[in-house]
Amino acid sequence: EAAVTQSPRSKVAVTGGKVTLSCHQTNNHDYMYWYRQDTGHGLRLIHYSYVADSTEKGDIPDGYKASRPSQENFSLILELASLSQTAVYFCASSGDNYAEQFFGPGTRLTVL
Amino acid sequence: GDSVTQTEGLVTVTEGLPVKLNCTYQTTYLTIAFFWYVQYLNEAPQVLLKSSTDNKRTEHQGFHATLHKSSSSFHLQKSSAQLSDSALYYCALRRGSSGNKLIFGIGTLLSVKP
Repeated sequence: EAAVTQSPRSKVAVTGGKVTLSCHQTNNHDYMYWYRQDTGHGLRLIHYSYVADSTEKGDIPDGYKASRPSQENFSLILELASLSQTAVYFCASSGDNYAEQFFGPGTRLTVL
Repeated sequence: GDSVTQTEGLVTVTEGLPVKLNCTYQTTYLTIAFFWYVQYLNEAPQVLLKSSTDNKRTEHQGFHATLHKSSSSFHLQKSSAQLSDSALYYCALRRGSSGNKLIFGIGTLLSVKP
């Protein structure tokens, strides 16, 4: 079964500060994704990646950057955190273009 | 664009009674697949059911769903709800393009009462 871990599990950040959320998977999956979860909006895709050193924009990429330095690691970067980015963030991975996605435990981000 | 609609934000049902969570979609892709994800409190979403075959019933853990392309629906049903079924349920559409991207509905919170 897929193992996806995220760090930190929760974080409080100040408006205008830089935040980096990290994701690590140990199942040799090529595809990785970052979602944010908000009540009333469900899960929305921010960025995703097919392969190391390459990222793609998802449905709501504004205000976020992503980095995939290796197959196992995928980071989400908020260069200038804003109040509207308070949410729970989930990382997910999948093995190929038709496989189900496996989610990490989530990171609860609060921007004050 | 593509979209997934879950009309009920909260469904409350008494233990032992049937439950149905609605999911409809809009897409321009011919090749599609659907998932139901379940998220228990303070846990990660996990796959409950998946299907890409029109009019074929899919079952898992007592839940079942049938993809009906004619009505653009993939409703989730269970004949007898259990207290342990209380959770947030997401319907998700996988687009026919590359990247294995999913579009999620807003989720339906199922509350099963004794």
